Amino acid sequence: GNSVTQMEGPVTLSEEAFLTINCTYTATGYPSLFWYVQYPGEGLQLLLKATKADDKGSNKGFEATYRKETTSFHLEKGSVQVSDSAVYFCALRNDYKLSFGAGTTVTVRA
Amino acid sequence: EAGVAQSPRYKIIEKRQSVAFWCNPISGHATLYWYQQILGQGPKLLIQFQNNGVVDDSQLPKDRFSAERLKGVDSTLKIQPAKLEDSAVYLCASSLTGQANSPLHFGNGTRLTVT
Repeated sequence: GNSVTQMEGPVTLSEEAFLTINCTYTATGYPSLFWYVQYPGEGLQLLLKATKADDKGSNKGFEATYRKETTSFHLEKGSVQVSDSAVYFCALRNDYKLSFGAGTTVTVRA
Repeated sequence: EAGVAQSPRYKIIEKRQSVAFWCNPISGHATLYWYQQILGQGPKLLIQFQNNGVVDDSQLPKDRFSAERLKGVDSTLKIQPAKLEDSAVYLCASSLTGQANSPLHFGNGTRLTVT
């Protein structure tokens, strides 16, 4: 079946630090991959997506590359801000079903 | 465009009571989903509709949970009777199609507390 494993949090960083959140997946076929973000008190928002191998999704300074050979979709940002404090979810969509990882809580301190 | 609307935002009930949640998806979105998000976990799919038909309800506890999407637009999710372990945020989402590359758009959720 489909599953998503992402690094456990919480992660605490200083402003302008480099952020990486690891995500690996198990799936049959050719899934689409997503990162969703949940800011405090808000609903889930799509951050970025990649629909085929070697695609790079990017948004708001975040990037993630669909690596089929390592079944990974790691999220990166070169210089985080306090406003990036949130819970980040890696997700996989195969056929019609969207499966989420457990989420990684990121706190950025000024 | 208007996002996915959910109500109520918060609900507190006692165990064995019943509760209903409402969702209005983005206009034109054929696919609607209900997810349960327990604190500290990722969202878990409860049920998925394509227009007004059910695509997947394999993880819906059918002895107490029910959902409908009359006319293929709005949807309601009901719990009767509620248990303590039902305390969670219930998220509604919609997508333009059910295809893998069609992203889901989420509402703000309903936070349910069962005491």
